[in-house]
Amino acid sequence: NAGVTQTPKFRVLKTGQSMTLLCAQDMNHEYMYWYRQDPGMGLRLIHYSVGEGTTAKGEVPDGYNVSRLKKQNFLLGLESAAPSQTSVYFCASKDLARAGELFFGEGSRLTVL
Amino acid sequence: KQEVTQIPAALSVPEGENLVLNCSFTDSAIYNLQWFRQDPGKGLTSLLLIQSSQREQTSGRLNASLDKSSGRSTLYIAASQPGDSATYLCAVVSGAGSYQLTFGKGTKLSVIP
Repeated sequence: NAGVTQTPKFRVLKTGQSMTLLCAQDMNHEYMYWYRQDPGMGLRLIHYSVGEGTTAKGEVPDGYNVSRLKKQNFLLGLESAAPSQTSVYFCASKDLARAGELFFGEGSRLTVL
Repeated sequence: KQEVTQIPAALSVPEGENLVLNCSFTDSAIYNLQWFRQDPGKGLTSLLLIQSSQREQTSGRLNASLDKSSGRSTLYIAASQPGDSATYLCAVVSGAGSYQLTFGKGTKLSVIP
């Protein structure tokens, strides 16, 4: 049981380049989330999904796009990377039960030069 | 809007001491509260999940309590060890949908040998 898997774990981009972070979960969870974590800022929600084919904006969605074409996958895209997007990105998932426990991936460290 | 606060932001204790970490939230209408541990450069690991109907949960040397009416939770760590050094975060699930999570910024714990 792999839980929540993020790829890639590390990436360096130049300003203006694009990339996609992949999150995969094998727990049949309905809810999936993308967060970024920056020093002193805590975890900030970028986008989330409450089910296959649905996405919604979180606290800091600008500059990011997401897709949930399959229930087990949640993709985070950066169309034109900026240095301000240098961060550690975390994916998480939980089932739709109110009592559901939240599970995190190990993070993806992105540096934009 | 739910707000979660963790005080203090950092805590340093000698090895062997019992300690309490605090988490407070502004809206008592929560579904559950979860405590996480984060080691430097790593993802978030779930420690304990307390449902809104529960008063406490225990796992090994960890005990988490929940007082919904006062909007507080505590994480008690018994006989602290240097390996307990990490950042501890709490998160609550609340709001109209059970997918809405709010995180505190964490307490950074250092256990001195």
